Amino acid sequence: EAGVVQSPRYKIIEKKQPVAFWCNPISGHNTLYWYRQNLGQGPELLIRYENEEAVDDSQLPKDRFSAERLKGVDSTLKIQPAELGDSAVYLCASSKGVARTEAFFGQGTRLTVV
Amino acid sequence: AQTVTQSQPEMSVQEAETVTLSCTYDTSESDYYLFWYKQPPSRQMILVIRQEAYKQQNATENRFSVNFQKAAKSFSLKISDSQLGDAAMYFCAYRTSYRSQGGSEKLVFGKGTKLTVNP
Repeated sequence: EAGVVQSPRYKIIEKKQPVAFWCNPISGHNTLYWYRQNLGQGPELLIRYENEEAVDDSQLPKDRFSAERLKGVDSTLKIQPAELGDSAVYLCASSKGVARTEAFFGQGTRLTVV
Repeated sequence: AQTVTQSQPEMSVQEAETVTLSCTYDTSESDYYLFWYKQPPSRQMILVIRQEAYKQQNATENRFSVNFQKAAKSFSLKISDSQLGDAAMYFCAYRTSYRSQGGSEKLVFGKGTKLTVNP
């Protein structure tokens, strides 16, 4: 079974430029999460999807961040424009079922804004 | 809001020996899950072990076991017979049970403990 796939693995951009991250969850997983992990910290939730509906986006900075999950499968997280403080690792995770007791994570995208 | 605290930024252990990583949490809920995740340099978070709060028996997965003290809100991870491949960041995490009404289903992570295994 393929795991959660994220791309790109690394991205370096100049501030004020746009950037997008892509996530393909495990097949059959209806719940998808985007987390941000700052250096030396644990991950923090940005947004959670149940199928194609964003059910928790309270931590998403909506002035510059946006996300979508078309057809309830793949998801894209976008930042426009990027700021220096957005440098972090962006992790995608997925889970399934009502219990959703285990979330499976991808390898993340390391973003560096210069 | 729930919080998770890992008071040990770094720990080290000799290969084949035992090490315990500490975690405390704060919550007013009675039904929840606790997790230990391992994050190697590849950055992928890998689930090590899971504990359901309503279960009194401590979870065990091969060389990994937990000491879950619900009243004290403590959830430590014991790694026995440490191996070089155990070296990584370890994160303790909390999540509300799906059985709880109105609870957030996000994982709340601690800041992590960096484990070094010395040969």
